[in-house]
Amino acid sequence: EAGVAQSPRYKIIEKRQSVAFWCNPISGHATLYWYQQILGQGPKLLIQFQNNGVVDDSQLPKDRFSAERLKGVDSTLKIQPAKLEDSAVYLCASRRSLAGGTYEQYFGPGTRLTVT
Amino acid sequence: AQSVTQLDSQVPVFEEAPVELRCNYSSSVSVYLFWYVQYPNQGLQLLLKYLSGSTLVESINGFEAEFNKSQTSFHLRKPSVHISDTAEYFCAVSDRGGSNYKLTFGKGTLLTVNP
Repeated sequence: EAGVAQSPRYKIIEKRQSVAFWCNPISGHATLYWYQQILGQGPKLLIQFQNNGVVDDSQLPKDRFSAERLKGVDSTLKIQPAKLEDSAVYLCASRRSLAGGTYEQYFGPGTRLTVT
Repeated sequence: AQSVTQLDSQVPVFEEAPVELRCNYSSSVSVYLFWYVQYPNQGLQLLLKYLSGSTLVESINGFEAEFNKSQTSFHLRKPSVHISDTAEYFCAVSDRGGSNYKLTFGKGTLLTVNP
């Protein structure tokens, strides 16, 4: 079973530029998450999709961040314009349901963004 | 709202020594608990999880964690560490009753195993 794929792995941009990240979840996983991991901190959820609908985007800075999952499979996360404090690793995860109503999240390798 | 506190940001140990990485959580509802490991330049990998049943859970590579409800803790232990265990370890909590299964992570503990 292929894992969660993300690209690019690394990106360096200047502040005020725009950037986009791509995620392909594990086949069949209906739930997809985007997390932001700032250096020295744990991942923080930005947005959660169930198929192509948004379940939770309460911590997404909507003035500059946007995300979509148009066909319920791949997803893109965009930042426009970027700020210095957006430097972080952006992790994508997808969720598999287990017996008994529980679940397991699988993470991609992440995209390391550096804003200069 | 939930929160996770990992009491040690860095834990250096010698190879073959025992180690304990501490995790405390705060939640007003019942929770699921997880430990994830992150090797350099890689994504997070699930190490072990407590969902229900026995409060002691084990991973395939010798780690174990014990859910202590009264102390709201989920400490991770290994009796003898290897160089290859060097990584960052994250404790996470999820609301048991919700449908979003959103994970709240601690800040992580960097385990460094020295020869």
